[in-house]
Amino acid sequence: GESVGLHLPTLSVQEGDNSIINCAYSNSASDYFIWYKQESGKGPQFIIDIRSNMDKRQGQRVTVLLNKTVKHLSLQIAATQPGDSAVYFCAEKVGEYGNKLVFGAGTILRVKS
Amino acid sequence: NAGVMQNPRHLVRRRGQEARLRCSPMKGHSHVYWYRQLPEEGLKFMVYLQKENIIDESGMPKERFSAEFPKEGPSILRIQQVVRGDSAAYFCASSPQLAAEAFFGQGTRLTVV
Repeated sequence: GESVGLHLPTLSVQEGDNSIINCAYSNSASDYFIWYKQESGKGPQFIIDIRSNMDKRQGQRVTVLLNKTVKHLSLQIAATQPGDSAVYFCAEKVGEYGNKLVFGAGTILRVKS
Repeated sequence: NAGVMQNPRHLVRRRGQEARLRCSPMKGHSHVYWYRQLPEEGLKFMVYLQKENIIDESGMPKERFSAEFPKEGPSILRIQQVVRGDSAAYFCASSPQLAAEAFFGQGTRLTVV
């Protein structure tokens, strides 16, 4: 999707298609990344995580890819369903104690039936 | 096992009043994190606490904001003399250990009028 002004980028997909949501990070020393799903009026919900010693991790219907060379993460959702409609955030764990999550700006996923 | 409980869900305050936001972590979790989310933005880290200790408050504004996590009872985020710019959703998360996955509550939506 493309961003317009201050609005979040939006990805619209047809039900049943695969979705790919992208995220760039800035800290090359980051070693742990998480994808969260946030539905309207709710808190972020953990989807999947990946450590920097991996380049791919699969869950149920979701796959996260990590490209450390270009500092890029992607979340792939297979067979997207209406219930997948939400805002998706990538986050990296930083801080002296590894206690802080730094969130990206987010991508709106809209699933058309 | 109940999730992270935040209350109130919605809070309206007039400029100059105090806002108190409560967070009860999941059972067995001794690490609590507070985040703030402005509309159409990702969450921004504010503070990390363990029982009776503030570990990392690097994201807290220098004035008017304070947080505590007493030995007994919920964690409290306190905002004194609220201004319109404090209007946001405030999320609490908890984890059983520092390196473990953090679970988020449903958030408190603060509106300053």
